Amino acid sequence: GQQVMQIPQYQHVQEGEDFTTYCNSSTTLSNIQWYKQRPGGHPVFLIQLVKSGEVKKQKRLTFQFGEAKKNSSLHITATQTTDVGTYFCAGIPQGAQKLVFGQGTRLTINP
Amino acid sequence: KAGVTQTPRYLIKTRGQQVTLSCSPISGHRSVSWYQQTPGQGLQFLFEYFSETQRNKGNFPGRFSGRQFSNSRSEMNVSTLELGDSALYLCASSLARIEETQYFGPGTRLLVL
Repeated sequence: GQQVMQIPQYQHVQEGEDFTTYCNSSTTLSNIQWYKQRPGGHPVFLIQLVKSGEVKKQKRLTFQFGEAKKNSSLHITATQTTDVGTYFCAGIPQGAQKLVFGQGTRLTINP
Repeated sequence: KAGVTQTPRYLIKTRGQQVTLSCSPISGHRSVSWYQQTPGQGLQFLFEYFSETQRNKGNFPGRFSGRQFSNSRSEMNVSTLELGDSALYLCASSLARIEETQYFGPGTRLLVL
């Protein structure tokens, strides 16, 4: 079936360290979206990437969409305690009309 | 602009019962999607409604159903509840297409005993 795999499942870092989560699809994605879910909260939209090789930045967050549109990454520079949460990627496999979510990467930070 | 609202926020049911969850999308949003979130399976797509029609469906049994009203409000129903249906049920709305930004509600946490 159409799957979006996300790694790692968990990541614990010291405050100030960098963090990266990776998303890989078995099929080409028409776009990729990233969401953040704080503990006890609901997913909140961060960004959408559409073009092959696209890179977008939001302050300390850098998002990339692979050339083949099958993978994506989110990199956070110099993590802060406010970055704690679970980061999900979600993509629409070409030919499908549903958003497929990765399993998420849960980020915890030691202050 | 008010966000997506879901009612009830918490629910406890027993096996075999049925449950109806409600979702009110952001004003002007016509697409409503439902997701099941569990620790083991992550976020799983249930179905999407647009203009009172189910436009897309995930891989869930027929016990899971939904509908959308003319004001875009949506309900989902789960019949003959099983223990494994315990989850956070999230509703998300977007303007018109599932490719657009999904705005999630706070969810309904369902516990089946």
